[in-house]
Amino acid sequence: GDSVTQMEGPVTLSEEAFLTINCTYTATGYPSLFWYVQYPGEGLQLLLKATKADDKGSNKGFEATYRKETTSFHLEKGSVQVSDSAVYFCAGGAGGTSYGKLTFGQGTILTVHP
Amino acid sequence: KAGVTQTPRYLIKTRGQQVTLSCSPISGHRSVSWYQQTPGQGLQFLFEYFSETQRNKGNFPGRFSGRQFSNSRSEMNVSTLELGDSALYLCASSSDNQETQYFGPGTRLLVL
Repeated sequence: GDSVTQMEGPVTLSEEAFLTINCTYTATGYPSLFWYVQYPGEGLQLLLKATKADDKGSNKGFEATYRKETTSFHLEKGSVQVSDSAVYFCAGGAGGTSYGKLTFGQGTILTVHP
Repeated sequence: KAGVTQTPRYLIKTRGQQVTLSCSPISGHRSVSWYQQTPGQGLQFLFEYFSETQRNKGNFPGRFSGRQFSNSRSEMNVSTLELGDSALYLCASSSDNQETQYFGPGTRLLVL
């Protein structure tokens, strides 16, 4: 079945450091890929998405490129802020008749210190 | 547009009871999906409804059920609650034929 694997956390960085959170997926075909962010006590917020190979999603300084050859969708940010501290989830859509189902990675806790 | 809303935000129940959670999707969205989030299992798909029909279901026991109304609002029900049902239950909506899902704030259920 479909699966999404994220790098193990937690990740701790200093403010203005470079961030990379790795994500790889296994699926039949090429699903849409997403990054969601979850702040304490809240639901998931869509951070960015890519619907086909070589698409780059970007939002709020975060970027991720859909790499078909490596089945990856790594999240990057050039300069993190304390306010970026949250849990980040990579997810893949199943497409086809697997309606409404996203498969999530296990989440990566990011802590940014001043 | 208003986002996805879920009620109640918090619930405390005891084993053996049943519970009903409600979700109102973004206006115009007809697809509603439900997920269970726990520290051990992460985010797991429960089921999806579209136009009052369940189109997809995850690997959960029959104690977990849902329904959708003509205005696209959805409810999920858990009967005979177990301690292991303690979790954050998230609802998400999407527009027709779109995979992008928008999540509500969740309902945190504690089973004692």
